[in-house]
Amino acid sequence: DGGITQSPKYLFRKEGQNVTLSCEQNLNHDAMYWYRQDPGQGLRLIYYSQIVNDFQKGDIAEGYSVSREKKESFPLTVTSAQKNPTAFYLCASSKDNEQFFGPGTRLTVL
Amino acid sequence: GQQLNQSPQSMFIQEGEDVSMNCTSSSIFNTWLWYKQDPGEGPVLLIALYKAGELTSNGRLTAQFGITRKDSFLNISASIPSDVGIYFCAGQPPAGNNRKLIWGLGTSLAVNP
Repeated sequence: DGGITQSPKYLFRKEGQNVTLSCEQNLNHDAMYWYRQDPGQGLRLIYYSQIVNDFQKGDIAEGYSVSREKKESFPLTVTSAQKNPTAFYLCASSKDNEQFFGPGTRLTVL
Repeated sequence: GQQLNQSPQSMFIQEGEDVSMNCTSSSIFNTWLWYKQDPGEGPVLLIALYKAGELTSNGRLTAQFGITRKDSFLNISASIPSDVGIYFCAGQPPAGNNRKLIWGLGTSLAVNP
């Protein structure tokens, strides 16, 4: 069954801790993306990667970091430098222009 | 970052009614995409449009790529309760070789049974 998985669905962390969100895809897509969504808001691009071992900052990259060591995986680390990390995080992948999304991870920082 | 103008922001309709929403931009796009997001889930691709003037249907959904390449429309006919959710438009600009999409802020649809 091809698709994109994100884990966990819900994540709680204490303020000041770094946390890594997982994103895996078995669609053989070259490009992967991380978005942030706040209540009642649209999607804001954090980072994206068009190919293994390469990634670019999106519109709101400050306080986040990523890696792309494998085609299938694109983990996102929310660092303590991110001032307001509580949000819904969405991972996506694409072969051409059509992006396909995972189920999302809701991060709550206490 | 750049955003698309998506309207209306929200709609509350009766079951069985038709729905229309649109996205506009000041610049042209090569691709228009329409997604639906259910609460707490990731967006799901509904329709993809690749050519100016293209009209594409997916069941009760119909979308059009505007002839000027600066807008797109999504229509839902005979709405049902499961149509509830947030509908997003997204566009792929022609410039550059990256695959970044430009997103609208969404249209929230509520259906009264």
